[in-house]
Amino acid sequence: GAVVSQHPSWVICKSGTSVKIECRSLDFQATTMFWYRQFPKQSLMLMATSNEGSKATYEQGVEKDKFLINHASLTLSTLTVTSAHPEDSSFYICSARDPGGAWGEKLFFGSGTQLSVL
Amino acid sequence: DQQVKQNSPSLSVQEGRISILNCDYTNSMFDYFLWYKKYPAEGPTFLISISSIKDKNEDGRFTVFLNKSAKHLSLHIVPSQPGDSAVYFCAASVRNNDMRFGAGTRLTVKP
Repeated sequence: GAVVSQHPSWVICKSGTSVKIECRSLDFQATTMFWYRQFPKQSLMLMATSNEGSKATYEQGVEKDKFLINHASLTLSTLTVTSAHPEDSSFYICSARDPGGAWGEKLFFGSGTQLSVL
Repeated sequence: DQQVKQNSPSLSVQEGRISILNCDYTNSMFDYFLWYKKYPAEGPTFLISISSIKDKNEDGRFTVFLNKSAKHLSLHIVPSQPGDSAVYFCAASVRNNDMRFGAGTRLTVKP
């Protein structure tokens, strides 16, 4: 099956620093990728939709200047958490849609990134 | 705004018995529902789906039931196997647009 690689799997950083998370589709071209965040015992919440070659679409309540998304190629989207604070500590996960099939069945997820901000 | 809710964070069943995972939603516009399965250190993977025009979809040991009037869907696993132990996410979407997920239910199948 299709593979989506997400890196790093976990990161610890100091408050005020920036962290970049990469999401790559390894064997298909993804014009659309999605970024989610999950706090403990809560739902996987969609943060933004990343579109190749254009600006990302952010969900209500998500600060676009804090969570910078770049989808520079058909196989790579990056999420940069700028000036991270302890409240940004969460599990971040990306997904990429393989355009060659039924929508939900062709949505492939990365393994996630656990971010801890000290 | 949690439009999709999985109220049971965990479920434990004996091998060979039935596992029933439940999911409730609030948006009556949802027309496509899915279940994803997630093992530790891996991303969720698609398991089974159902569109709003159906009330049941079966795939081997896995069956999803949809009750639109109650805004409720469930996943039945029969018979349950230890390898089914994972976190199961329920998801819903409107016209194949972005999906909303539940918080997940951790299923443990005991040998």
